[in-house]
Amino acid sequence: GDSVTQMEGPVTLSEEAFLTINCTYTATGYPSLFWYVQYPGEGLQLLLKATKADDKGSNKGFEATYRKETTSFHLEKGSVQVSDSAVYFCALSISSGSARQLTFGSGTQLTVLP
Amino acid sequence: EPEVTQTPSHQVTQMGQEVILRCVPISNHLYFYWYRQILGQKVEFLVSFYNNEISEKSEIFDDQFSVERPDGSNFTLKIRSTKLEDSAMYFCASSETGSPTGELFFGEGSRLTVL
Repeated sequence: GDSVTQMEGPVTLSEEAFLTINCTYTATGYPSLFWYVQYPGEGLQLLLKATKADDKGSNKGFEATYRKETTSFHLEKGSVQVSDSAVYFCALSISSGSARQLTFGSGTQLTVLP
Repeated sequence: EPEVTQTPSHQVTQMGQEVILRCVPISNHLYFYWYRQILGQKVEFLVSFYNNEISEKSEIFDDQFSVERPDGSNFTLKIRSTKLEDSAMYFCASSETGSPTGELFFGEGSRLTVL
């Protein structure tokens, strides 16, 4: 079945450090790929997405490129801020029937220290 | 900005009791979902709902679970006879379309603790 494997956390970085959170996937067909973020006390929010191979999603300084050859969608940010502290979830989506469902990774807790 | 709201934020119940978790999706959305996350584990799909019926459900969504949209605004998840292993964070989500590229909007979650 479809699955997402995500870098285990927690990850602790100093402000302005470079961030990479690894994500690889297994899927039949051609999934769309997403990064969702959950800030403390809030629901999951879409951070960025890519819908086909070689697409790059970007938002708020975060980037991820859909790499079909390595089945990966790693999240990167060049300079993290304290406000980036959150849990990050990699997910994929394949249309199924009349609706669709997301398959999530296990989440990576990021803490950025001032 | 429109948002998905969930109540209660936290519920504690005794094993065997019925629980109803409530969600108000974004008003113009047509697709509704429940996910859950057991502590320390992945967020898992439970069920999707469209046009007043279940579209898809996972193996987790057995006969003790049910969903309904009783009044055109609320979307509820009922657990008939709770078990210890039902303790989890339950997330409601909605989307405008069923497209695999579209965004799901999630609520803040309802934490269920079964004693």
